Amino acid sequence: DVKVTQSSRYLVKRTGEKVFLECVQDMDHENMFWYRQDPGLGLRLIYFSYDVKMKEKGDIPEGYSVSREKKERFSLILESASTNQTSMYLCASSFGQTFNQPQHFGDGTRLSIL
Amino acid sequence: AQSVTQLGSHVSVSEGALVLLRCNYSSSVPPYLFWYVQYPNQGLQLLLKYTTGATLVKGINGFEAEFKKSETSFHLTKPSAHMSDAAEYFCAVSHTGTASKLTFGTGTRLQVTL
Repeated sequence: DVKVTQSSRYLVKRTGEKVFLECVQDMDHENMFWYRQDPGLGLRLIYFSYDVKMKEKGDIPEGYSVSREKKERFSLILESASTNQTSMYLCASSFGQTFNQPQHFGDGTRLSIL
Repeated sequence: AQSVTQLGSHVSVSEGALVLLRCNYSSSVPPYLFWYVQYPNQGLQLLLKYTTGATLVKGINGFEAEFKKSETSFHLTKPSAHMSDAAEYFCAVSHTGTASKLTFGTGTRLQVTL
């Protein structure tokens, strides 16, 4: 089975801090994704990566950056955390460049910015 | 651009009753469609997917969905609800282009009562 592991289930940080969320997958997937999930809004794509060192903006990239130095690891960075970034963050991965491949999700990181 | 609409943010059924969760899609090309389930404090788990071929798709936990091109729908059903089905359900459509991106609906929370 595909395993997507997010480093923290719960995280509390202060405004202005630089925050790192880490995600690791063990299935050699090319694609990795970061979403945020908010009530009533579903999942919104922040950034994704289709190869090492490659990244593309999703629908809501403002205030975030990403890093993919190794194929199995995809990091989300909040450059200067703000209270409106309090949310559930979900990482996912998928195989290949065809459009019929499902994404596999981690258990999420619930981030609170105080 | 591809999009999905889930009608009803909350659905309540009695245990043993039919479950029907609605999803309509918009796509300029033949779509690939997915249903995911999210249990409390967990990530998303794939229930089923439609890519090509048979329009009635069977998934895990007794769920199935029917792709109806004429109605642009992909509704999720289960003949008999169980208490363990209480969760949030997301419909998603894949994008053409890079990296098997998905666009998710806003989700439907299913409540199962005795």
